[in-house]
Amino acid sequence: EVQLVESGGGLVQPGGSLRLSCAASGFTFSTYWMNWVRQAPGKGLVWVSRIHSDGSTTSYADLVKGRFTISRDNAKNTLYLQMNSLRAEDTAVYYCAREGGGYGDYYFDYWGQGALVTVSS
Amino acid sequence: QSVLTQPPSASGTPGQGVTISCSGSYSNIGGNTVNWYQRLPGTAPKLLIYSNNQRPSGVPDRFSGSGSGTSASLAISGLQSEDEGDYYCGTWDDSLNGWVFGGGTKLTVL
Repeated sequence: EVQLVESGGGLVQPGGSLRLSCAASGFTFSTYWMNWVRQAPGKGLVWVSRIHSDGSTTSYADLVKGRFTISRDNAKNTLYLQMNSLRAEDTAVYYCAREGGGYGDYYFDYWGQGALVTVSS
Repeated sequence: QSVLTQPPSASGTPGQGVTISCSGSYSNIGGNTVNWYQRLPGTAPKLLIYSNNQRPSGVPDRFSGSGSGTSASLAISGLQSEDEGDYYCGTWDDSLNGWVFGGGTKLTVL
């Protein structure tokens, strides 16, 4: 059974840092692109970042570029999101999501339960 | 403001059908397939429809998707109370080089 379990969320002051982790199991983690998607309170889903299966390629939404860093450890089957210079507007539930599919058609086929990040003084 | 446009709300009575639209542009829906996600209260998002009209294993055939040009739709027939939740369309955007979503549609079963 595919499982994605996020951890590391919490309360942080504006300007602070936090690192989220996503532990994967039930599939060959090292063969999938992985993503972070967030949802602010009362708002919709927003894509945050993406990383290639071997970690060689990453991309970010403009709203986090230069502040957030996505990475992965395939030996530990774990995805990370290092968040620096946090702002109040970064307050959200952060989901890790597996990018499944193939032959040009891709989608988020599995999601974690989410980790709440609250940025407030 | 979301890149893809969805109506903020939709509703229907049990047994009825409802359709949720999703509008985009040539850089996203116009050139890529659309996926739909369901987020029920207190749960994580779940893949509902992929590649415009494909249902993952376990998704009832009451749910169907379609797409044409720069728009897509999710149809739900035989509404049930457990269908209440938020529905999001999503696709890849070639200009932004990233994934984009609609703002979500809150479905109420009256």
